[in-house]
Amino acid sequence: DAGVTQSPTHLIKTRGQQVTLRCSPKSGHDTVSWYQQALGQGPQFIFQYYEEEERQRGNFPDRFSGHQFPNYSSELNVNALLLGDSALYLCASSSRDRGTKNIQYFGAGTRLSVL
Amino acid sequence: RKEVEQDPGPFNVPEGATVAFNCTYSNSASQSFFWYRQDCRKEPKLLMSVYSSGNEDGRFTAQLNRASQYISLLIRDSKLSDSATYLCVVNINPLHGSSNTGKLIFGQGTTLQVKP
Repeated sequence: DAGVTQSPTHLIKTRGQQVTLRCSPKSGHDTVSWYQQALGQGPQFIFQYYEEEERQRGNFPDRFSGHQFPNYSSELNVNALLLGDSALYLCASSSRDRGTKNIQYFGAGTRLSVL
Repeated sequence: RKEVEQDPGPFNVPEGATVAFNCTYSNSASQSFFWYRQDCRKEPKLLMSVYSSGNEDGRFTAQLNRASQYISLLIRDSKLSDSATYLCVVNINPLHGSSNTGKLIFGQGTTLQVKP
């Protein structure tokens, strides 16, 4: 049973460029959440998708957008990259099943460096 | 004020020691509570959920005090392999009772280094 998978694992971009990160949730999960983790900090919530719609959003600018596909996989897009966007981007999947809905499982992340 | 506050440490302890981590949270709408473990440059992994009645998993004991908005983690008989960052996490679901999973709010993490 594959866990949460993310691609790519590492990415280097320059300021002003755009980037797309991808996530496939754990089998049986229907909800995908994205987090940004800066060095030395805990992860910060970006947004959450289920049923192909953004359901919750954290304090991130509109440069951060996402999408969820019918197979529950998801993309995170960041436009007009800034140096401060350099971070580990984590995808977490979960199920809205009543017994497990609050437990989120994380992928290995994509490490983005903006030069 | 951060929504979830932890002492970042580091906590340096010898093998076999007992160590305790604490955290406080500010949002009374927090509904679920967890400790996650994160190894260097890896993803966070769920260590255990935390309940008001207290719960234990082997050498690990977690406790929640809703009145004080305080969460603790106790590690007994520390092993070298326990060296990691421990993240205190609360789940906030603004649509209480809905099928929404809610969002996780993380503390900064507490670094534990267990030495031989």
